[in-house]
Amino acid sequence: QVTLKESGPGILQPSQTLSLTCSFSGFLLSASSVNLGWIRQPSGKGLEWLATIGWEDVKHYNPSLKSRLTISKDTSNNQVFLKITSVDTADTGTYYCTHSDYYDTYYGPFAYWGQGTLVTVSS
Amino acid sequence: DIVLTQSPALAVSLGQRATISCRASQSVSTSSYNLMHWYQQKPGEQPKLLIYDASNLASGVPVRFSGSGSGTDFTLTINPVQADDIATYYCQQSRELPNTFGAGTKLELK
Repeated sequence: QVTLKESGPGILQPSQTLSLTCSFSGFLLSASSVNLGWIRQPSGKGLEWLATIGWEDVKHYNPSLKSRLTISKDTSNNQVFLKITSVDTADTGTYYCTHSDYYDTYYGPFAYWGQGTLVTVSS
Repeated sequence: DIVLTQSPALAVSLGQRATISCRASQSVSTSSYNLMHWYQQKPGEQPKLLIYDASNLASGVPVRFSGSGSGTDFTLTINPVQADDIATYYCQQSRELPNTFGAGTKLELK
C-alpha cells in the first residue's frame, strides 16, 4: 500500500526558506520508473506542479520557479525533500507530495497523493 | 507550456449525465499514448486520480466515470451523476514538461 505524508513548518516569514519533507512507504524510490514530486495549491485555487525527482536522481523543475526550487531524496530513509527559497505571500497554500510512474519516455499520471501540508507565509 | 482550458462550472441533476471538457493548446497525444489525466477533488481533500491516459479507469473508481478524446480535445463523463460526485474536476497533461493542469470544473447540482 502506497502512502505519502508531508511535513513542513506551518508558518514562516517572507524571505525565509521553506523546507518540506515527504515520508513514504509501500514502494522503493530506487525502483525503476518511480518518481516522486511536489504540487501546490493556493487556497481556493488550482493545482501547480513544482518539481519531480526520479529513481535515477533525474530532477525536473517548473521553469516559472526553477531558480528557487531544490528537490532531493534520501532513498535509505524513504524521504523526499523540497526547498523553496525567498518565499513570499504568493507561496501560501497546501503542498502535496505525489507519486508517478515513467513509461517509455513520458511521465504518467499522479496516481498517489499525500494529504498535503498547509504552508502560510506571513509577517 | 501547454495550456489546458476547462469550463469553470457545470450544473447537473442527480441521475443525469455530466460531460466535462478539457482542451489543450497543443496535442498531448503520441503514437502510443494520449497523455491526459483526470482528477476529482472534494473540499479539504487531496485530488484523486480518476482516469489516466485519456480513457483508462484508475483502480477503485466507479464505472460511471469514463474518459475519451485524443489530440487536443478530451472529455470526462459521469453517468449517472450521484450526490457523492459533487466536486471539482481537473485535467492534467504529461505529454510535455512542465506538467500542467486545467483550472478545474466545479460540478454543481441543478
